[in-house]
Amino acid sequence: AQSVTQLGSHVSVSEGALVLLRCNYSSSVPPYLFWYVQYPNQGLQLLLKYTSAATLVKGINGFEAEFKKSETSFHLTKPSAHMSDAAEYFCAVSGSSGGSYIPTFGRGTSLIVHP
Amino acid sequence: DVKVTQSSRYLVKRTGEKVFLECVQDMDHENMFWYRQDPGLGLRLIYFSYDVKMKEKGDIPEGYSVSREKKERFSLILESASTNQTSMYLCASSLWAGRNTEAFFGQGTRLTVV
Repeated sequence: AQSVTQLGSHVSVSEGALVLLRCNYSSSVPPYLFWYVQYPNQGLQLLLKYTSAATLVKGINGFEAEFKKSETSFHLTKPSAHMSDAAEYFCAVSGSSGGSYIPTFGRGTSLIVHP
Repeated sequence: DVKVTQSSRYLVKRTGEKVFLECVQDMDHENMFWYRQDPGLGLRLIYFSYDVKMKEKGDIPEGYSVSREKKERFSLILESASTNQTSMYLCASSLWAGRNTEAFFGQGTRLTVV
């Protein structure tokens, strides 16, 4: 079964600082990995996804993630945090169940951005 | 744009009531999902459906049932609401096409059972 682990339930950064949100995966097959963002009182929306075409994936709002097979990681980064980046971030892996593909999520990391 | 619409943003129900949460998507997606979101626990899958009238249990199906009579609509039913079902409920949909397809989410329904 595929799963993801997000390290750190909360990450706090200053505006303008580097954002690093950590995600490690466990998968017996090549994984398909996703990062989603959830702004307060909203549903989740896709930031980016890894589908084996390239190890460095660029997403929306200046975020990117790098797939590292040797480290089983898919960490999310942004060079310079904005106040508007404050949100909950979820890493997810696409797992299979009887022929269907089910997104399985990590526990989430809350990003706090200080002025 | 794909749109997933949940019928209510906020609901307050009494213990023992039968509760219906409705979800409609407008992009002809085969897969639909119901997740429950609790602080520190992330999103946990309750049920999913890959076709009309088809349903599969997720990780936490106890106390819930679902209905999918039409492709665009997926309903979550709490047969007898209890206070431990107070939570945020998220509906999502996706194409069946493959592992690289992302899920599209509704705005969520925050349910309080008193």
